[in-house]
Amino acid sequence: GENVEQHPSTLSVQEGDSAVIKCTYSDSASNYFPWYKQELGKRPQLIIDIRSNVGEKKDQRIAVTLNKTAKHFSLHITETQPEDSAVYFCALRGGGNKLTFGTGTQLKVEL
Amino acid sequence: NAGVTQTPKFQVLKTGQSMTLQCAQDMNHEYMSWYRQDPGMGLRLIHYSVGAGITDQGEVPNGYNVSRSTTEDFPLRLLSAAPSQTSVYFCASSPQGIYGYTFGSGTRLTVV
Repeated sequence: GENVEQHPSTLSVQEGDSAVIKCTYSDSASNYFPWYKQELGKRPQLIIDIRSNVGEKKDQRIAVTLNKTAKHFSLHITETQPEDSAVYFCALRGGGNKLTFGTGTQLKVEL
Repeated sequence: NAGVTQTPKFQVLKTGQSMTLQCAQDMNHEYMSWYRQDPGMGLRLIHYSVGAGITDQGEVPNGYNVSRSTTEDFPLRLLSAAPSQTSVYFCASSPQGIYGYTFGSGTRLTVV
């Protein structure tokens, strides 16, 4: 089945710096790669996604890149702000329409 | 349009009790899933469904049953609760095709 590894598990950055979270996967049939943000005590919310026929997608301060050959995808947050502090999960959809999640990255943006 | 509605929000069970976690969506989504979230382990898939009458097991199905008699509802049944099932449970849904899931607000379950 699908397997996705997410790194780092915790990430601390200064306000205004960039943050990068990386996920690797093994199933070459995976075709959809969303990223979710979860604030403390809240539900996960979709922030950006990318399909397998696209290499990069950007939405204001966040971007996702996909390297299908190397089987990894990354979330990039630029000009980080305190409200970016949360847990971020990568996920992927492979065969069988299952959505498999990474173990999460706790991002802390310090003033 | 309420989205994905989960009930109850909190529940305490005694070991061996059974209960059903309710999930309903009003977006006419074909796909629905149940996840459990434990500290440091992300979201693990329990069961999922690609349409009414069709269900399949996820990563951690033992101790749980599901059914999907309608497009709107996808209840999760705990057969005989165990302390290891203490967790936060999320139901999620998406349209058919390559789309992200919309999550419900979660049920925090404690088994004592």
